Amino acid sequence: EADIYQTPRYLVIGTGKKITLECSQTMGHDKMYWYQQDPGMELHLIHYSYGVNSTEKGDLSSESTVSRIRTEHFPLTLESARPSHTSQYLCASSRMGGGRELFFGEGSRLTVL
Amino acid sequence: GQQVMQIPQYQHVQEGEDFTTYCNSSTTLSNIQWYKQRPGGHPVFLIQLVKSGEVKKQKRLTFQFGEAKKNSSLHITATQTTDVGTYFCAGTGSNTGKLIFGQGTTLQVKP
Repeated sequence: EADIYQTPRYLVIGTGKKITLECSQTMGHDKMYWYQQDPGMELHLIHYSYGVNSTEKGDLSSESTVSRIRTEHFPLTLESARPSHTSQYLCASSRMGGGRELFFGEGSRLTVL
Repeated sequence: GQQVMQIPQYQHVQEGEDFTTYCNSSTTLSNIQWYKQRPGGHPVFLIQLVKSGEVKKQKRLTFQFGEAKKNSSLHITATQTTDVGTYFCAGTGSNTGKLIFGQGTTLQVKP
């Protein structure tokens, strides 16, 4: 099993609340990613990072923000949650270099009422 | 931009039947990866193919990478109920270095 952890696993929250989804990995991976996935649907890359102080937006526009202050930690924040943010958010990491496998966390299922 | 198309989107088979999912890229890939996501779970890496025409096997699963390195397939022989899930291919663009996921194929197996 990969050593990448996401909290919370499930979150139900009201519109307008600020939320932070936590992601931590203990593998020393430089690359980390956030994907958004609706049930049974494809994976959409929303943020990625190549290392400390590096963050980039992915292919799918997202109102969320990320930070990478420590190698092992890559939290995602939504300042004001809306029902359209309801989805599953998957964090992943990989070693640096091309063609490296991604290790995914178990995901955070967000429901915004 | 680089696109990775995967077909079919859904497949229902009777247990014991074979299953194949196909992955096609609009551009040449340096490698292709395959992942499996069980219902309610997260994607788990299965395998990576790098060489043109490469074929790899994992028990009942056979993975192929096309000669032109633009397509790939996953074939499962004699499906079992444990094979249920969504299978994703993900290709790394030769020019971009970006990993792009296909849309996934969801496999249902009737016992």
